[in-house]
Amino acid sequence: DTGVSQDPRHKITKRGQNVTFRCDPISEHNRLYWYRQTLGQGPEFLTYFQNEAQLEKSRLLSDRFSAERPKGSFSTLEIQRTEQGDSAMYLCASSFLETQGWGNIQYFGAGTRLSVL
Amino acid sequence: GESVGLHLPTLSVQEGDNSIINCAYSNSASDYFIWYKQESGKGPQFIIDIRSNMDKRQGQRVTVLLNKTVKHLSLQIAATQPGDSAVYFCAETFSNSGYALNFGKGTSLLVTP
Repeated sequence: DTGVSQDPRHKITKRGQNVTFRCDPISEHNRLYWYRQTLGQGPEFLTYFQNEAQLEKSRLLSDRFSAERPKGSFSTLEIQRTEQGDSAMYLCASSFLETQGWGNIQYFGAGTRLSVL
Repeated sequence: GESVGLHLPTLSVQEGDNSIINCAYSNSASDYFIWYKQESGKGPQFIIDIRSNMDKRQGQRVTVLLNKTVKHLSLQIAATQPGDSAVYFCAETFSNSGYALNFGKGTSLLVTP
């Protein structure tokens, strides 16, 4: 399978615990995005990387959230001191942005569903 | 704030009919739009995209129309099949934002036999 891979698919944790999710993008994609989706809503943008550089963070990304893409390949999203309001589906997407291109199709993984008890 | 919205939360069509899903956007700076399909338990799947200097784009069984005057998008699905049943999202973005997508709530399409 050469699509975007996310691990784990499901995570149940207790309030106050830290959790970390991993995303493996499509090979050679230079852009990687994180989104959060709650039930019945569309995904909401959290942050994105161009290679290893984190270029933008949404105001939704509180200080408890941190994302990394150390070698410009896989990425991790960590949530510290989880709260019940963090319960959601966390989606990763990747794309290849051409300097002369006009669009940016983002391909999504299946997501990590987080439940905070 | 500005947002992307959908006119209808649910749409029920008969197999073989054509489907039209509508979407309104309000950010005049948006220059790129994408339609995604999401099935239960899966991530969004790309359907078709269009940029702001186009008014129509066609794919396999799908057509996207863009009306910049009234800030409206539509997705037309020809000969709808049971496998088309899913939630459909339109998303808007602009190149200066790094293409961070702004999604609407989605329209649930149900195809009945």
